[in-house]
Amino acid sequence: DQQVKQNSPSLSVQEGRISILNCDYTNSMFDYFLWYKKYPAEGPTFLISISSIKDKNEDGRFTVFLNKSAKHLSLHIVPSQPGDSAVYFCAASPNTGNQFYFGTGTSLTVIP
Amino acid sequence: KAGVTQTPRYLIKTRGQQVTLSCSPISGHRSVSWYQQTPGQGLQFLFEYFSETQRNKGNFPGRFSGRQFSNSRSEMNVSTLELGDSALYLCASSSDSSRDTQYFGPGTRLTVL
Repeated sequence: DQQVKQNSPSLSVQEGRISILNCDYTNSMFDYFLWYKKYPAEGPTFLISISSIKDKNEDGRFTVFLNKSAKHLSLHIVPSQPGDSAVYFCAASPNTGNQFYFGTGTSLTVIP
Repeated sequence: KAGVTQTPRYLIKTRGQQVTLSCSPISGHRSVSWYQQTPGQGLQFLFEYFSETQRNKGNFPGRFSGRQFSNSRSEMNVSTLELGDSALYLCASSSDSSRDTQYFGPGTRLTVL
């Protein structure tokens, strides 16, 4: 039972444009969300997080938006750069536990 | 600080065999979590160890087990390997709570023939 879903397996964007990666979750107990980026042959690296008390968090070119009523979060990358090409995973954690549930990932390709 | 290291990086086994994977967390980190990554399934949580105790467990059969040593290094064992166990096994460490940012190792690619 996939509690965190990334319904777009892949996304292609032109360099300089905005990349929007989406993530949906089903468990209303989730209150902490993260995005990770993964290059081939490397482990995921932490990108940005957001807790349920906020609806937006920014870090440089990366912004995460959380819509609790829709159980949806998105990652915006502006402007997109070729080095952003990677697989992006969203993850969520419930307030009752210490584990993270990951989505299946979205492969982003930024075209120069 | 050195990052999370995992050994071996690649492993080939046959069905029915058992395998042990090793993870050394970032110095000072006490929480180690293990994940299985397969195409189409994303990262599936296996278990988390904290101060030598299993604190959380995912929905995997008992063939998957782990342990953590006093220096926080962790091992994961899979017995009676099945073809479906072929995957990338990732470990991640965090300083205290596993809700802290997790730092991942490069993974061990296990192939079961």
